[in-house]
Amino acid sequence: NAGVTQTPKFQVLKTGQSMTLQCAQDMNHNSMYWYRQDPGMGLRLIYYSASEGTTDKGEVPNGYNVSRLNKREFSLRLESAAPSQTSVYFCASSEFPSNQPQHFGDGTRLSIL
Amino acid sequence: KNEVEQSPQNLTAQEGEFITINCSYSVGISALHWLQQHPGGGIVSLFMLSSGKKKHGRLIATINIQEKHSSLHITASHPRDSAVYICAVGVNFGNEKLTFGTGTRLTIIP
Repeated sequence: NAGVTQTPKFQVLKTGQSMTLQCAQDMNHNSMYWYRQDPGMGLRLIYYSASEGTTDKGEVPNGYNVSRLNKREFSLRLESAAPSQTSVYFCASSEFPSNQPQHFGDGTRLSIL
Repeated sequence: KNEVEQSPQNLTAQEGEFITINCSYSVGISALHWLQQHPGGGIVSLFMLSSGKKKHGRLIATINIQEKHSSLHITASHPRDSAVYICAVGVNFGNEKLTFGTGTRLTIIP
């Protein structure tokens, strides 16, 4: 059972380049989330999707776009990468609506030079 | 916005010691989560609770809603317990936009 799968695991970009982080879950969850984790700070929500076809901004959405392609997949796009977006990105999923724990992917370590 | 404070930030203990990690939050919540982040980076949910106490193996989580405080206890600690423990709170059932603490880094020395 794969759970939540994120690709790639590592990526180095130059300032101004674009890229898409991929996330897929096989637990038939409705809700999916994108977080970033920076040193000394807690995980912060970038965007979330309560169900297929819906997305909403989280705490730090600027510079990012998302697509909920289908129930399984939720991608995060950086259109023009900036050094401030250097971070570790986590995707998560959970059942909705219900008060259940979130399941996390292994993370993508992204460096912007 | 809910503020989540964890203490201590870092904790080093000898194998076998009883461990307590604390979490305080500022506003009412629907549920509190304890998560474990391994040295390799993966994050695993340990507990989700809205009242009382939960136990899983050597781990115990408690919450006091009136005092807005939760504790995570580890009995008979082991080096494999070394990890970052993260507290997170959610305020809306069915819309779990969580607010996370900065984590407690636990190191258990053999």
